[in-house]
Amino acid sequence: DIQMTQSPSTLSASVGDRVTITCRASHNIYRWLAWYQQKPGKAPKLLIYKASTLDRGVPSRFSGSGSGTDFALTISSLQPDDFGTFFCQHYNTYSGTLGQGTKVEIK
Amino acid sequence: EVQLLESGGGLVKPGGSLRLSCAASGFTFSSYAMSWVRQAPGKGPEWVSGISASGGGTSYVDSVKGRFTISRDNSRNTLYLQMSSLRVEDTAAYYCVKAAPWSYCGGDCYLFHNWGQGTLVTVSA
Repeated sequence: DIQMTQSPSTLSASVGDRVTITCRASHNIYRWLAWYQQKPGKAPKLLIYKASTLDRGVPSRFSGSGSGTDFALTISSLQPDDFGTFFCQHYNTYSGTLGQGTKVEIK
Repeated sequence: EVQLLESGGGLVKPGGSLRLSCAASGFTFSSYAMSWVRQAPGKGPEWVSGISASGGGTSYVDSVKGRFTISRDNSRNTLYLQMSSLRVEDTAAYYCVKAAPWSYCGGDCYLFHNWGQGTLVTVSA
């Protein structure tokens, strides 16, 4: 199985800050990478797929980049609603492996 | 509106078996790949198993291979997960998850779009 490793595990930032979360795959996954946001007690919500394509209704302050084994999720200007845990996922016809998550706290 | 309603969870002893079901409505069930995803308390979600829209292709995470079997009945709009040889580490809430439309991947893929409310599986002596 391909392993997905995120960093950092937690981060605390202020409203308006630029925030970047990274995700590394153990093998080349091309651009089959998604990002989700999960708030406490809720199901994860898809933000980005194919490494950089925003899902419908996702604010433009979210962006994704990368290919191969190294990927990043960037929030250009952190907003109060952006708290929660963010997960990367490698997906294809055979797998839906998730990273361990990055918890984002608003200072 | 997409609805996914899981059932079948409960308390079971190590080595025991359970069968989870997921009743789907609000979309054309036979057109979408489906997955089971579990989340242990305080942990992140873990993809457990997936099945193609037709049911002809199945996949599993290594830790459940040979113990869990995913299946679907497209005539009944229902997804199943047969779990056997259960271990304490299988304890988690199990979620039925609908994949994103074909346009997102150009085919079946396990990109998560809609989630059920979950059913709790507790494995304990």
